[in-house]
Amino acid sequence: GQNIDQPTEMTATEGAIVQINCTYQTSGFNGLFWYQQHAGEAPTFLSYNVLDGLEEKGRFSSFLSRSKGYSYLLLKELQMKDSASYLCAVPIYNQGGKLIFGQGTELSVKP
Amino acid sequence: KAGVTQTPRYLIKTRGQQVTLSCSPISGHRSVSWYQQTPGQGLQFLFEYFSETQRNKGNFPGRFSGRQFSNSRSEMNVSTLELGDSALYLCASSPAGTSASSSYNEQFFGPGTRLTVL
Repeated sequence: GQNIDQPTEMTATEGAIVQINCTYQTSGFNGLFWYQQHAGEAPTFLSYNVLDGLEEKGRFSSFLSRSKGYSYLLLKELQMKDSASYLCAVPIYNQGGKLIFGQGTELSVKP
Repeated sequence: KAGVTQTPRYLIKTRGQQVTLSCSPISGHRSVSWYQQTPGQGLQFLFEYFSETQRNKGNFPGRFSGRQFSNSRSEMNVSTLELGDSALYLCASSPAGTSASSSYNEQFFGPGTRLTVL
């Protein structure tokens, strides 16, 4: 079966760095997505990792280890607007557009 | 390019009624997926349509159904509404290829329809 685990909540301070972890168990692997969702809004795409290693995009970076079934999202120089839910998702192998999402990590950035 | 649009944005129904939600994907996208989001269960996959055919299905009862039209617009229907169906229903479109094993399936989400069942 498929399973994705993320911490439910995290709190961090403006200007700091925070790491949001995601562990997954899937039969077959077709990459891993990170989405950001502000309250009352649609999820928006942050990153997609299919190979091991770190991918950096400005203040956000995402890391993947396929052998460990592990990913993390790293947010640097936190801003108040980064307060949101961060969703880890994996597409189901050989099932096209089907994504399985973790429960999401609610990040609160404090001044 | 216009994003994914969903109508209506908000809906209030009573138990036992049925509801139809609509989704217009990004132009050129042929895959449309539907998700239900609730505080307790998170985002759960309902089904995916590609070229007017249901390609994948999640673990929801038969009261949840959908269809896709030739212009890729999609509708989902929920019959005999229950209180537990209250949720945010999200539609996502994807420039997915014809193969279900496409390696990159970035999905672009619409704003959602907030359904409240009383």
